[in-house]
Amino acid sequence: DVVMTQTPVSLSVSLGGQVSISCRSSQSLVHNNGNTYLSWYLQKPGQSPQLLIYKVSNRFSGISDRFSGSGSGTDFTLKISRVEPDDLGVYYCGQGTQYPLTFGSGTKLEIK
Amino acid sequence: AVQLVESGGGLVQPKESLKISCAASGFTFSNAAMYWVRQAPGKGLEWVARIRTKPNNYATYYADSVKGRFTISRDDSKSMVYLQMDNLKTEDTAMYYCSPTEEFAYWGQGTLVTVSS
Repeated sequence: DVVMTQTPVSLSVSLGGQVSISCRSSQSLVHNNGNTYLSWYLQKPGQSPQLLIYKVSNRFSGISDRFSGSGSGTDFTLKISRVEPDDLGVYYCGQGTQYPLTFGSGTKLEIK
Repeated sequence: AVQLVESGGGLVQPKESLKISCAASGFTFSNAAMYWVRQAPGKGLEWVARIRTKPNNYATYYADSVKGRFTISRDDSKSMVYLQMDNLKTEDTAMYYCSPTEEFAYWGQGTLVTVSS
């Protein structure tokens, strides 16, 4: 199974600041078809997860350009700029390249 | 708009069975593979099962943790996907979500399954 390792486990940021979350996979996430199926999700308190980024760097419909994804192979990053109060919650990365599909253990974002 | 409504959760005892459902709308259900993902209380996300479309013979796939105990099925005429859960264990306690894409672009509100004696 592909193990997804997220760091840090938690972080605190001031409003208007910028944060980066790292996600590393135990195997390359490049699919045989050339695509890399790495996604990022945000789960706000008491809510279902929501998709932010898919295929490494593509923002899902309606997602602010303050969220950006980058990376390749086994090393990926989610950046959040100009942090707003509504950004708090737990961020997960997930891979869709190989079954079983797996997720990182999450990064909790708190607002200072 | 895509809408997913999970239902059928509840409190059951270990070794009992439960069948949960997901009603989907807002997309061409018969063309979409469907997935179940779960989240234990206070824990992370875990993929559970996948069912492909009719052209793909409704092929099914399971996480090792549920293989042999859970069965995913679908009814394209009703735009419904189901998860039959047998021989439930306390570690199956979780919120269960269905989703129509491998990227899990859409989520419902989930249905809570509690396995406890």
